[in-house]
Amino acid sequence: EPEVTQTPSHQVTQMGQEVILRCVPISNHLYFYWYRQILGQKVEFLVSFYNNEISEKSEIFDDQFSVERPDGSNFTLKIRSTKLEDSAMYFCASTDAVTNTGELFFGEGSRLTVL
Amino acid sequence: QQPVQSPQAVILREGEDAVINCSSSKALYSVHWYRQKHGEAPVFLMILLKGGEQKGHDKISASFNEKKQQSSLYLTASQLSYSGTYFCGTDGFQGAQKLVFGQGTRLTINP
Repeated sequence: EPEVTQTPSHQVTQMGQEVILRCVPISNHLYFYWYRQILGQKVEFLVSFYNNEISEKSEIFDDQFSVERPDGSNFTLKIRSTKLEDSAMYFCASTDAVTNTGELFFGEGSRLTVL
Repeated sequence: QQPVQSPQAVILREGEDAVINCSSSKALYSVHWYRQKHGEAPVFLMILLKGGEQKGHDKISASFNEKKQQSSLYLTASQLSYSGTYFCGTDGFQGAQKLVFGQGTRLTINP
């Protein structure tokens, strides 16, 4: 069964360092998302991406964040200068349908720990 | 605008029923329900569209009251496997690409 894959599963970094989280969405999907979840809290929307551009973003997704689809398979989230409060689980998701009509398929997540 | 879920937590014995509610202050086009087990990714349960019918999957069903901007998830004769945190996700209009989740309802099923 096709699945969304994310790497790394866990990354530890020093405050101020740049981090890139990688995702391989399901191959025929066109809509991509990043969510984050601080331990024990809700799943928060960060950004959606379609047709090589950002569709929507939340207030969390400030200038420190960027997304890119560098090739036909990868979808990346970059945090330029990490802060302690960026520590969270980051989930990538994809779907083949506009959000309201279909299921979001989530990856297993990348846990980011900022020291 | 984040939807609001209630209750925040529920503890049941196996075989009991539960209802989880989700409400929004804004007009909704659709409501999604996901379940997340500890340490895992959210998994899709069902989606309810504006003007659509009540959905069901095995002993889990849901309703969507568009006028009240509310949805309810019904878990009947709960099983141990139903334990987890349930999130509703909402959007405001057709074509929206921003699904916003509520704060979650933690469901614990005891034998």
